[in-house]
This record gives sequence, structure tokens and C-alpha cells, in this order.
Amino acid sequence: DAGITQSPRHKVTETGTPVTLRCHQTENHRYMYWYRQDPGHGLRLIHYSYGVKDTDKGEVSDGYSVSRSKTEDFLLTLESATSSQTSVYFCAISGRGGGAEAFFGQGTRLTVV
Amino acid sequence: GIQVEQSPPDLILQEGANSTLRCNFSDSVNNLQWFHQNPWGQLINLFYIPSGTKQNGRLSATTVATERYSLLYISSSQTTDSGVYFCAVEAGSYQLTFGKGTKLSVIP
Repeated sequence: DAGITQSPRHKVTETGTPVTLRCHQTENHRYMYWYRQDPGHGLRLIHYSYGVKDTDKGEVSDGYSVSRSKTEDFLLTLESATSSQTSVYFCAISGRGGGAEAFFGQGTRLTVV
Repeated sequence: GIQVEQSPPDLILQEGANSTLRCNFSDSVNNLQWFHQNPWGQLINLFYIPSGTKQNGRLSATTVATERYSLLYISSSQTTDSGVYFCAVEAGSYQLTFGKGTKLSVIP
């Protein structure tokens, strides 16, 4: 199994508070991704990174920011959490960009109350 | 963007039965993967198959890239096969686009 660890695995937070989710990999893969999974929508890309300090927006990036200061860590931050951001968040990694196989972490279940 | 349609949306099988899941996509792809999401929510890689045919035990997959579809075959289904099966494709944008999945229930 690919070495991907997400933390925390579960979190409940209040509306308006900042939240940071962490993705840690031990595979030295260049590309890292954050997806969210919601009923009826499948998985949708929030942000991705193609190297240290190199990031770009995905399909549903509003309200989220990311940072990657080391190859192994990719952080997703909700600056001011809203109830619409209640979801399951998945981190993924791949060894190269277009056309490469992606591997997913275990997911983080975030509830915003 | 690229569209991904999976069928059927739901499938109930008796243990031991065979099944075929289908994934249609609307454009040429660089990457196509099949995942199984188990009841605990974990996404498990089944196949990386942008073209051709692969087999892994009771599961096999075929992608016909020129006709823009992929098939996942499950033979002699077991209760542990239950869950949601996702097809995901990438068309040059670094982004995997997922279908809505096929929910499979295997009953003893």
C-alpha cells in the first residue's frame, strides 16, 4: 500500500473556525491532491500540488487554501469553516502528472456545526 | 470538462454470481482507474488501465480507448465485494474526474 497518512481522521468544528487537514506521504511522489467526496457528486478536486511550493486550483477551490513546504506534506486549510464544507476529504498522490496512477489516503471526515 | 458515466448505479447480486460494470467517458484519456470504496470508506486501487485488458484474481478490466468505455468484470462474487465501484479518468489536466459510482451489494 502507498504510504499516505491523513490527519486527523475525524473532526467536528464550529462554523467560522479555521481548520487544517494534513496529508503526509512517504513515497517521495511529486504530485499531491486534495479531493472532497459528497453524496451525489462523487469525488471532486479541490487543489493539487506539482512540487514544493507549486500548487494550483481544482474544480471546487473556493473557501480552501493549500500549502506544501516539504515534498512529504500537503496541508489543506479552511480559513473560516462553513456547513457546506462538511464532507469527507481525501488526499491522493502520484509519481508524475498526466496519465499516472493515483493512490488515496484513508480520508478525513469533517463536520462543521 | 470530460464527462464520466457509470452503469448501473445500483446492483444486487447473489453470492457466486458474475457481473459487469460499465464506464463511459466523453473524451480521450491519459489515465483510467477503477477503485473499490469499501464500507469503511477506503478507496482501494483495483486497476490502472488507460487501455487494454488486465486481470487480478476474480476481477478483470478492459478499456477500449477508441470507443471511450471501460468494463469491470467481477466473477464468482463474494460478500466482501460489496461497496461502491468508481471509475476515474484523466484527460491531460492532472485532475482525475470520477463517475458517480456503482453501488454493489452481494447477498449470501
